[in-house]
Amino acid sequence: QVQLVQSGAEVKKPGASVKVSCKASGYTFTSYDINWVRQATGQGLEWMGWMNPNSGNTGYAQKFQGRVTMTRNTSISTAYMELSSLRSEDTAVYYCARGGGAIFDWGQGTLVTVSS
Amino acid sequence: QSALTQPASVSGSPGQSITISCTGTSSDVGGYNYVSWYQQHPGKAPKLMIYDVSNRPSGVSNRFSGSKSGNTASLTISGLQAEDEADYYCSSYTSSSTLVFGTGTKVTVL
Repeated sequence: QVQLVQSGAEVKKPGASVKVSCKASGYTFTSYDINWVRQATGQGLEWMGWMNPNSGNTGYAQKFQGRVTMTRNTSISTAYMELSSLRSEDTAVYYCARGGGAIFDWGQGTLVTVSS
Repeated sequence: QSALTQPASVSGSPGQSITISCTGTSSDVGGYNYVSWYQQHPGKAPKLMIYDVSNRPSGVSNRFSGSKSGNTASLTISGLQAEDEADYYCSSYTSSSTLVFGTGTKVTVL
């Protein structure tokens, strides 16, 4: 079955960067887009961007342009999302998710806490 | 890109039907048949319930159905059950080749 296993919780200081990993299994990694979605506590879902694992092409939400980078390592079927210049408002659970127009599978989420 | 507009809450009694709306623009909901609906229970990852406006993934109950008219999509839950109590989010593909989520709706089973 499809599994997306994310890296563990992170605590970062304001201004730092965080890199979250997402290891895929149960399907051909390069055949489906990977999206990143975040959710602050008690808030809604916020789409951050997508990556085509085959080509490496990416598309980011305007809000995160210049601060987010999505990459992959196809040899280990792993996608990465790096967010820089962290601020307290970036404290949230970050999800990787498989799919294009619809997201069929989700990782378990990674809590990123930004605090001084 | 602004979030799609959903009612903050919808409630119903067991066995009843409820409908959740999701309003966007001609650049997202109205322009593409790529509307999806997700169910999220507290502390859990979202689960896909409807994709491409009205298609159900394998394993999703046929009590869940989706439709679209103009710039507004809808999710209907028929035969409401206690386990349906959750947050629901719509999403749409956009003209900017991005995705946008709705504001979310809390469904309460009375």
